[in-house]
Amino acid sequence: DAKTTQPPSMDCAEGRAANLPCNHSTISGNEYVYWYRQIHSQGPQYIIHGLKNNETNEMASLIITEDRKSSTLILPHATLRDTAVYYCIVVNTGTASKLTFGTGTRLQVTL
Amino acid sequence: EPEVTQTPSHQVTQMGQEVILRCVPISNHLYFYWYRQILGQKVEFLVSFYNNEISEKSEIFDDQFSVERPDGSNFTLKIRSTKLEDSAMYFCASSEQGADTQYFGPGTRLTVL
Repeated sequence: DAKTTQPPSMDCAEGRAANLPCNHSTISGNEYVYWYRQIHSQGPQYIIHGLKNNETNEMASLIITEDRKSSTLILPHATLRDTAVYYCIVVNTGTASKLTFGTGTRLQVTL
Repeated sequence: EPEVTQTPSHQVTQMGQEVILRCVPISNHLYFYWYRQILGQKVEFLVSFYNNEISEKSEIFDDQFSVERPDGSNFTLKIRSTKLEDSAMYFCASSEQGADTQYFGPGTRLTVL
C-alpha cells in the first residue's frame, strides 16, 4: 500500500472548517484513500473514503486532487468533540486489506 | 446503527497467564481483524480472518497468539502466555467484504503485570 504523509498537528477554532491535508504521491490506480479518526484511546472511527471523485457524507468532505497524489479532509464546522488524531490511509481494494496506520494529524479544536 | 462490541473493556493479568479477548462483529460482516496499540504508539495490524481461516497475519502475530470464531457471533483473540510487552489496547474490526470499510470496536485494554 502507498505511504501517506500528514502534518503532525493542527489547530482549528470551533465553528470553523478544519482542512486536514494528506500526501500519497505513490498511490496506484486501485487504491482508495480512507480517513479514520481516534479520539483518546478509543477505537478508530471511520470517517469517509474515496477513489478519485470528491465525496461528502454527514461527517466530512473528501477532496482528492485530479492526479490523486494528495487529498484533503474537510470538517465543515469543527466542534470540540472533533479533537482527535486523524489518519489518512491508502488501501488496496483487491483483497482483504489490512489498514496500515501512520502517526496521523492531531487536530486540536479550541474555543 | 450496528456496531462492533468488545469484552472486557479492561483486562488485568499476570505475566505467563492466558487471556482471551472477545469481540462481536457486525452481524452481516464476513471479515474480521485484530489490531493493537501500545500506549503512545501506532495502531498495528495483527491478523485478518475469513471463512474460518487466517487470511493474513503480521510478524507480531506469533505462536502465542491465536484467533477463533467459536460460534456464529463471537470472534476471539487468545494470548497463550502473556508478556509484559503485550500490554496494549486491542481493537477488533469487521468488514462486510474484504475490500470494504472496516469498523472498529471500542477496544480492550490489556495490562500485564
